[in-house]
Amino acid sequence: DTAVSQTPKYLVTQMGNDKSIKCEQNLGHDTMYWYKQDSKKFLKIMFSYNNKELIINETVPNRFSPKSPDKAHLNLHINSLELGDSAVYFCASSQDPRQAGGTEAFFGQGTRLTVV
Amino acid sequence: QKEVEQDPGPLSVPEGAIVSLNCTYSNSAFQYFMWYRQYSRKGPELLMYTYSSGNKEDGRFTAQVDKSSKYISLFIRDSQPSDSATYLCAMRGVDTGTASKLTFGTGTRLQVTL
Repeated sequence: DTAVSQTPKYLVTQMGNDKSIKCEQNLGHDTMYWYKQDSKKFLKIMFSYNNKELIINETVPNRFSPKSPDKAHLNLHINSLELGDSAVYFCASSQDPRQAGGTEAFFGQGTRLTVV
Repeated sequence: QKEVEQDPGPLSVPEGAIVSLNCTYSNSAFQYFMWYRQYSRKGPELLMYTYSSGNKEDGRFTAQVDKSSKYISLFIRDSQPSDSATYLCAMRGVDTGTASKLTFGTGTRLQVTL
């Protein structure tokens, strides 16, 4: 009964390939996020979705395309992978932080992407 | 200059010590302040969160926020080897632009030795 689950946990792929990472949360939250953690452990927001609507796109290259089929899922598709995309990608969810009663973010276990 | 500054450590302390972890920030729009703990190869786990200035205590953990100085702290009492992890401070605002994303510090790696 994992709260925020991501698949796959590890992904090794060649430059130029296209890959997807899936995320699902069973917390009943209405807001989901993708964060990127670089080799120095620095976590940075990429996207934020509320009820399937894009709220934040933090100047991420358009090779990255998030898709939210419903408020419990937020997938990340990456086209034409580059070496610099190697990182750990974390999905997270919360209740809408813009509203009273908003909760803080709960994170998944991460997807370690290695581009070779 | 990053919006949130955090000493990366590593910080090594003996078991039982009091640990002090700190972050400074520059964006006065930040209103909510969090501490996350991240074990190696795991996701960040929320430890404490505080709204605006003040103190909050939960067991061995105490979070302090001083908005006038733009400075937040996490104190760990009676530290245990199981506390060995990276501690990330994070913060956000309340308006649309700053509420829907957490801005993190770089994390402090803590090692508690026997």
